[in-house]
Amino acid sequence: SSELAQDPAVSVALGQTVKITCQGDSLRYSYATWYQQKPGQAPVFVIYGQNNRPSGIPDRFSGFTSGTTASLTITGAQAEDEADYYCQSRDSSGNHLFGAGTKLTVL
Amino acid sequence: QVQLVQSGAEVKKPGASVKVSCKTSGYTFTRYDIHWVRQATGQGPEWMGWVNSDSGDTGSAQKFQGRVIMTRNAALNTAYMELTSLTSEDTAVYFCAREVYNSGTYRFDPWGQGTQVTVSS
Repeated sequence: SSELAQDPAVSVALGQTVKITCQGDSLRYSYATWYQQKPGQAPVFVIYGQNNRPSGIPDRFSGFTSGTTASLTITGAQAEDEADYYCQSRDSSGNHLFGAGTKLTVL
Repeated sequence: QVQLVQSGAEVKKPGASVKVSCKTSGYTFTRYDIHWVRQATGQGPEWMGWVNSDSGDTGSAQKFQGRVIMTRNAALNTAYMELTSLTSEDTAVYFCAREVYNSGTYRFDPWGQGTQVTVSS
């Protein structure tokens, strides 16, 4: 399959933990990168590789990949984490793929 | 700091072409490929293709082959994306992004601010 599948929407209570998943064959060839996108803004990556965070991203964000499934976990979700989250990887042909996105609501 | 600054919003009629520019700064332009991604309202990002900033080689998603032209001017540290034969389905925000590879991952960092392209008769 040349797609990355994500759940359309997930909600989490303030301060609780939430996991967002991404499934696709391309994850056999490269790890996923996770992006956070808020309305009217460009995506910003929050996790890359097995579990790497760029500077400025809080350590409550973590990632994990096993086989064809990648996950993004937010431990102790904050109101500012409410956003759309997209996974992205590259397949064996060199094409980049994006998931359709997961809308995270913090209650 | 690394920055990608795109050209302004465009309104085009069906059948026309649009060309978006992406001016980079803060790094050695020729060391990184520039990719183009578009996003329609309420949809996820859609990868369109790339240009090698050094050689000018390009590649694109099958969906856009024959309709997208990606170029660069290394002297100006600028990449360009031209999309031809526009239809209303091409209405979207178009982003350029620098591709970075490490830790077994390809990622886009940073992104331009986006260019709204509206196709309407």
